[in-house]
Amino acid sequence: GDSVTQTEGLVTVTEGLPVKLNCTYQTTYLTIAFFWYVQYLNEAPQVLLKSSTDNKRTEHQGFHATLHKSSSSFHLQKSSAQLSDSALYYCALRSWGTGSKLSFGKGAKLTVSP
Amino acid sequence: DPKIIQKPKYLVAVTGSEKILICEQYLGHNAMYWYRQSAKKPLEFMFSYSYQKLMDNQTASSRFQPQSSKKNHLDLQITALKPDDSATYFCASSQDFWGSQNTLYFGAGTRLSVL
Repeated sequence: GDSVTQTEGLVTVTEGLPVKLNCTYQTTYLTIAFFWYVQYLNEAPQVLLKSSTDNKRTEHQGFHATLHKSSSSFHLQKSSAQLSDSALYYCALRSWGTGSKLSFGKGAKLTVSP
Repeated sequence: DPKIIQKPKYLVAVTGSEKILICEQYLGHNAMYWYRQSAKKPLEFMFSYSYQKLMDNQTASSRFQPQSSKKNHLDLQITALKPDDSATYFCASSQDFWGSQNTLYFGAGTRLSVL
C-alpha cells in the first residue's frame, strides 16, 4: 500500500524566514503523483502544488517542492514565510493503481508569527 | 460561488440516530469521494465513485452508505451514529477517476457532532 509521512505536526516560523515542511513516502507502485494541499482555518483543503516528474521543481504562490524518487521525498519550501501562510498543510500521494484516491499524511500545522 | 456544495454545514445528532450528509458538485466531474477528518485521523479516505459506481471503499463499517442519485450527487448516509463518528466529512470530486493529472477538489465540509 501507500503511506505518507509528515514528521512535524506543529511548525512555527517567524515572518520573513524560510520554512520547510518535510514529506516522505512509501509506495508499491512505480508511477506516482504527489500533491501538497493547504487548509486554512474552517475551510476546505485546496491544492497548492502537484507533481509527477522526478527531480523537477514545481512552484506556486511562492512555495516550491521537488519530487525526489531516489529519496522518496516531496518537501515543501518557501524562502520567506508570510503571516497569511499560517494553515494546515497536507502532503498527499496518488498511486495509479488506486485511481484518483489520495493518501494523505497527518498534516503539519504551520504558524507564522510576526 | 462554491462549486462543491455540502449540506448541512453543521450537524448535531444523538447516539443511535441516522443522518444524511448531502453533496453536489457543479464542476462537471465524473468522480466523487468522501473523506473524513478528525483529531485522531486527519483526512481519511472513505469512498470513491466514478459515474455513480462504487470504485473503492475503505470504510470498515456498513453504517456508512454512500448514495448517488445523479452523477453530480454523492450523499452519505450514516446510521446508528456513535460519538466516535464525530468528525468533519468532506466531499471531493475530480474530472475522472483514472488520469495522471487529476486533482481532487474539496467541498467546505459537514461538521458532525454526535452526543
